[in-house]
Amino acid sequence: QSVLTQPPSVSGAPGQRVTISCTGSSSNIGAGYDVHWYQQPPGTAPKLLIYANSNRPSGVPDRFSGSKSGTSASLAITGLQAEDEADYYCQSYDSSLFVVFGGGTKLTVL
Amino acid sequence: QVRLQESGPGLVKPSQTLSLTCTVSGGSIASGDYYWTWIRQLPGRGLEWIGYVYYSGSSYYNPSLKSRLTMSADASKNQFSLKVSSVTAADTAVYYCARHASRTAMIDYWGQGTLVTVSS
Repeated sequence: QSVLTQPPSVSGAPGQRVTISCTGSSSNIGAGYDVHWYQQPPGTAPKLLIYANSNRPSGVPDRFSGSKSGTSASLAITGLQAEDEADYYCQSYDSSLFVVFGGGTKLTVL
Repeated sequence: QVRLQESGPGLVKPSQTLSLTCTVSGGSIASGDYYWTWIRQLPGRGLEWIGYVYYSGSSYYNPSLKSRLTMSADASKNQFSLKVSSVTAADTAVYYCARHASRTAMIDYWGQGTLVTVSS
């Protein structure tokens, strides 16, 4: 049981927009800790996709965006491409300064 | 560019101790802004935080694993290490070492991961 809750799967056709939610609590996201998102294509290590709720590292396309409100965060992907098919994880701190992850969401591009 | 590389046995017998080392290049583990982290991924499952260590040796462990964990850091070798005692098949996983920003928990660099199988 992950501390942060994500939908197990989402899907969309090429060119469409999809969103992935990440729900926490008052001891993690709601306590003001930043949310980060990672992309993990099959067989590879996770890669930082969005940091500090809504910031993109250099090289990440602007099709990816993040937001945070209250005890939840969201990742949005617009203009879906086949190469976006991967697992996506949200992550934050909790009040004990433990690192917490979401259970992961598998994105399927139809 | 910071690079992290895990090393250690890929096969460990049940009840023994799993030992992994992460070698960091392109940056110093003695930077005060970062913690050095271990994360694992059980087969077909999500990411599980194991714990992290500061270059001085102070550490935070996942409560569910704490009784079996030991982490350490060696700034002179720019390495940090993980030991998990009394392993069972449930500890079979890909183990990642990574760097995370101490203030925000952002994990900006990951190792490629190493599969550790617990089997007799």
